[in-house]
Amino acid sequence: QKEVEQDPGPLSVPEGAIVSLNCTYSNSAFQYFMWYRQYSRKGPELLMYTYSSGNKEDGRFTAQVDKSSKYISLFIRDSQPSDSATYLCAPEEEYGNKLVFGAGTILRVKS
Amino acid sequence: DAGVTQSPTHLIKTRGQQVTLRCSPKSGHDTVSWYQQALGQGPQFIFQYYEEEERQRGNFPDRFSGHQFPNYSSELNVNALLLGDSALYLCATSSGGGSNQPQHFGDGTRLSIL
Repeated sequence: QKEVEQDPGPLSVPEGAIVSLNCTYSNSAFQYFMWYRQYSRKGPELLMYTYSSGNKEDGRFTAQVDKSSKYISLFIRDSQPSDSATYLCAPEEEYGNKLVFGAGTILRVKS
Repeated sequence: DAGVTQSPTHLIKTRGQQVTLRCSPKSGHDTVSWYQQALGQGPQFIFQYYEEEERQRGNFPDRFSGHQFPNYSSELNVNALLLGDSALYLCATSSGGGSNQPQHFGDGTRLSIL
């Protein structure tokens, strides 16, 4: 079993839809939770950075962490074609030095 | 403000050769991590450098080695290249010693082994 699991998709939605992207993980030592967006032929771009359980909102993006069920979510409101990319979740242990990535979910937003 | 820069962008090598990849950190960053991303997969941690020392290493053989310079830039060296080393190699940098600090990535070096 991988430490971090993501549905690879692709997830295809119409423009303006609310998108839900999810990860599960097995390591209870994870305390920091990152979401990255990666466009084709580019490096991952940091979207959200959260600590422990709870919600964090930034513009159209909301990150949600439920440590009791080891479940991480990223919600995108009013999705745009420019949101079409691969989304990677990446948790990290407290005092850790490495991100552990899921395989990523491909999102396609159609206009 | 320049972000993380990596060179070269693309490299083609043959089996058995050696390769050196380079990374310049984002301004103000002192910690460099290297990741390998195979096609269709998420990045995998290779190692992290801080204060010119390798601080933590992932599950990669000794053929993978690195270096950090006094100006915080870094190199990744891979010896005795195998076909399976074909991947996108990403550099990520962070500040404040790195632990639990946001990591910012460059656009990577795409390495193809023939």
